[in-house]
Amino acid sequence: EVQLVESGGGLVQPGGSLRLSCAASGFTFSTYWMCWVRQAPGKGLEWVANIKQDGSEKYYVDSVKGRFTISRDNAKNSLYLQMNSLRAEDTAVYYCARQEWSLHPYVDYWGQGTLVTVSS
Amino acid sequence: SYELTQPPSVSVSPGQTASITCSGDKLGNKYACWYQQKPGQSPVLVIYQDTKRPSGIPERFSGSNSGNTATLTISGTQAMDEADYYCQAWDSSTGDWVFGGGTKLTVL
Repeated sequence: EVQLVESGGGLVQPGGSLRLSCAASGFTFSTYWMCWVRQAPGKGLEWVANIKQDGSEKYYVDSVKGRFTISRDNAKNSLYLQMNSLRAEDTAVYYCARQEWSLHPYVDYWGQGTLVTVSS
Repeated sequence: SYELTQPPSVSVSPGQTASITCSGDKLGNKYACWYQQKPGQSPVLVIYQDTKRPSGIPERFSGSNSGNTATLTISGTQAMDEADYYCQAWDSSTGDWVFGGGTKLTVL
């Protein structure tokens, strides 16, 4: 059974940093692209970043470029999101997600999400 | 940047057919997928590659994509289908993923 378990969310002040982690199990982690998707309270889904199997390619939504870094450790079956210079508008539930590909990329499995609140 | 537009809400009576649209410039030249999200839960994929259903998704869910519009159709809608639905596409020129704003489906 595919499982994605996020951790690391919490309350942080504007300008602060936070590192999210995602522990993956139930599939061969190293063979999949992975991504982070967020959802602000009461709002829709927003893709944040994704990373290739070997970490050699990374893509980010414009609003987080230069502030967030996606990474992975295939030996530990783990995905990470380092978030720096956090802003109030980064407040959201952050989902770790497995990316599948069938002529186009999409998410086939989602974690339960971890809440990040940026507030003073 | 590429944008996808969905109606904020759609209402349907039980047993009837619900159609949720997703509009974007030449969306028919891309592939669309759809996610269902119930309150307090993570999203679930219901349609990918315009028309394909993942295993475990009921046959009453179907999709189409042509011109500027992708459509999610739910035939014989049930109360359990009440949820938010999001379309998603991929802009191959930038590598960006784009989600629609979401549609709240009410079954009443």
